[in-house]
Amino acid sequence: EAQVTQNPRYLITVTGKKLTVTCSQNMNHEYMSWYRQDPGLGLRQIYYSMNVEVTDKGDVPEGYKVSRKEKRNFPLILESPSPNQTSLYFCASSSREARNTQYFGPGTRLTVL
Amino acid sequence: GENVEQHPSTLSVQEGDSAVIKCTYSDSASNYFPWYKQELGKRPQLIIDIRSNVGEKKDQRIAVTLNKTAKHFSLHITETQPEDSAVYFCAASKVGGSSNTGKLIFGQGTTLQVKP
Repeated sequence: EAQVTQNPRYLITVTGKKLTVTCSQNMNHEYMSWYRQDPGLGLRQIYYSMNVEVTDKGDVPEGYKVSRKEKRNFPLILESPSPNQTSLYFCASSSREARNTQYFGPGTRLTVL
Repeated sequence: GENVEQHPSTLSVQEGDSAVIKCTYSDSASNYFPWYKQELGKRPQLIIDIRSNVGEKKDQRIAVTLNKTAKHFSLHITETQPEDSAVYFCAASKVGGSSNTGKLIFGQGTTLQVKP
């Protein structure tokens, strides 16, 4: 089954404790993105990747890091989480041919205390 | 950069009525406009999209219209059903060219409630 998976689905942590949210897709997609969803703000892009070892900032990259060492995986790293990073995070992927048609993962709800 | 405004933020309709959600965009170079539906606790899923060379597109009970001159597009749902209750997001994007990153700029979302 073609899908995008994320782990963990729920996470409660404390300020400053490094964490990683994993994202994996099995569709051989070149393009992958991370979004955060906040009430009244819609979905905002954090980082994106156009292929292995090619990443760039989206609209709200502060406080986040990403890596793309393999085509299928695109982890989101919060080196020192802060309460304003409490949010719902979605990973998405798309193919080179239809890069604007994005398929979303199930989401990760993160709470930073 | 592109900015997408979406209205209303909440919409409540009776089952069987129609619902209309409107979005405006700022960048005249945007040429691809998808709509996503997000049910409670679920991921956003693409339900319909339209490209700038088309003025209207329909898929069963849902349709999208685009006015390039005014830079706005709308989602129309007819004969609404309780299962249409969800958050709907519009988005704008630029398709084509080697610099296309696939980036979507989303509206703020509309919570649609269909009352039985």
